[in-house]
Amino acid sequence: GAVVSQHPSRVICKSGTSVKIECRSLDFQATTMFWYRQFPKKSLMLMATSNEGSKATYEQGVEKDKFLINHASLTLSTLTVTSAHPEDSSFYICSARSPSGTTDTQYFGPGTRLTVL
Amino acid sequence: QKEVEQNSGPLSVPEGAIASLNCTYSDRGSQSFFWYRQYSGKSPELIMSIYSNGDKEDGRFTAQLNKASQYVSLLIRDSQPSDSATYLCAVGYGNNRLAFGKGNQVVVIP
Repeated sequence: GAVVSQHPSRVICKSGTSVKIECRSLDFQATTMFWYRQFPKKSLMLMATSNEGSKATYEQGVEKDKFLINHASLTLSTLTVTSAHPEDSSFYICSARSPSGTTDTQYFGPGTRLTVL
Repeated sequence: QKEVEQNSGPLSVPEGAIASLNCTYSDRGSQSFFWYRQYSGKSPELIMSIYSNGDKEDGRFTAQLNKASQYVSLLIRDSQPSDSATYLCAVGYGNNRLAFGKGNQVVVIP
């Protein structure tokens, strides 16, 4: 159980375009999902908390108008990187809070590697 | 942003030996602690969670928590080459969020 998928796994785009990344909980309903970004040889940095049916909560320093998050259902959250630039190139990983066990156990999707040319 | 420190450099251990990883955290109010394993180019996978002071064992892994010292550790017994990865310490804080350490790379030498 607690399987999380992400799509696409890898994307290359031109500077100035927008990219949408999907995160799905496959075998459970997730009222809360999280979006992280990881640069090479660095740790995961939380970008935002995605809450089903309400606005996302962004961490300090993360531009909400650049990183649009939508959590329209209990199994799907999307992250859209708008007007992407080379500095947005990174590994984007989502996680979903497990419905069983403790309240803050998170299971991660496989990640999306974004390269902006 | 809450601070989670994993200061050890890469750890090389011979196959069959014990690997020991340490982590300290800044938020004294944190109540949940996790160890994740991350292979190169992949996303983290949960190994252990611990919430109470003391030891928690799961197979070859043992997590140890000392809230008074704000310290959590992970022991890997009978290390295998497949254990070679980066191990991330994560600490829970407000609104179910996690703060991650930078990770410790473990290399198990056959």
